[in-house]
Amino acid sequence: QKEVEQNSGPLSVPEGAIASLNCTYSDRGSQSFFWYRQYSGKSPELIMSIYSNGDKEDGRFTAQLNKASQYVSLLIRDSQPSDSATYLCAVGTGGGNKLTFGTGTQLKVEL
Amino acid sequence: KAGVTQTPRYLIKTRGQQVTLSCSPISGHRSVSWYQQTPGQGLQFLFEYFSETQRNKGNFPGRFSGRQFSNSRSEMNVSTLELGDSALYLCASSLGVAGGNEQFFGPGTRLTVL
Repeated sequence: QKEVEQNSGPLSVPEGAIASLNCTYSDRGSQSFFWYRQYSGKSPELIMSIYSNGDKEDGRFTAQLNKASQYVSLLIRDSQPSDSATYLCAVGTGGGNKLTFGTGTQLKVEL
Repeated sequence: KAGVTQTPRYLIKTRGQQVTLSCSPISGHRSVSWYQQTPGQGLQFLFEYFSETQRNKGNFPGRFSGRQFSNSRSEMNVSTLELGDSALYLCASSLGVAGGNEQFFGPGTRLTVL
């Protein structure tokens, strides 16, 4: 079982729709959770961090965390073609700043 | 505030050689983590340095090593290069005093081993 799992996609949504990206993790002791966006040929860019159960909103992005279900999600409202990228879920495991990444979900926002 | 910088951006080496990559973190950040990204394995953690000490280590062979200097700049070294070491090497910078900090990635060094 992979430590952090994501559906590889591609996930296709029409422009203006809500994109929902999901991630599950196996280490119950994980305390920090992050979403990164990576455009082709570029490095990952931090979008959201979340540490407590519930929702965290930042502009068009909402991260949701459910530690009991070991589940993290990212909602992107009013999706734009510029949101087309690979979205990486990362989980902080152990001490320090070690991140374990999922394989990423490719999102395509279609006109 | 300047972001994370990595040098060089591209490298071509041959099997058996060694390579050193450099990373300068965001000003004020004391933790530097290194990751390897390949199409087959995705993003994998190599190691983390904080205050010149290795704080975490991933599951990579001893050919991969690193260090951090007093100004928080970090280097990683790969000795006896193998074809499978071809990858994008990313460093990430964070405040780092406690764990679980937000990490910000540099542009990466693309290493090709021939």
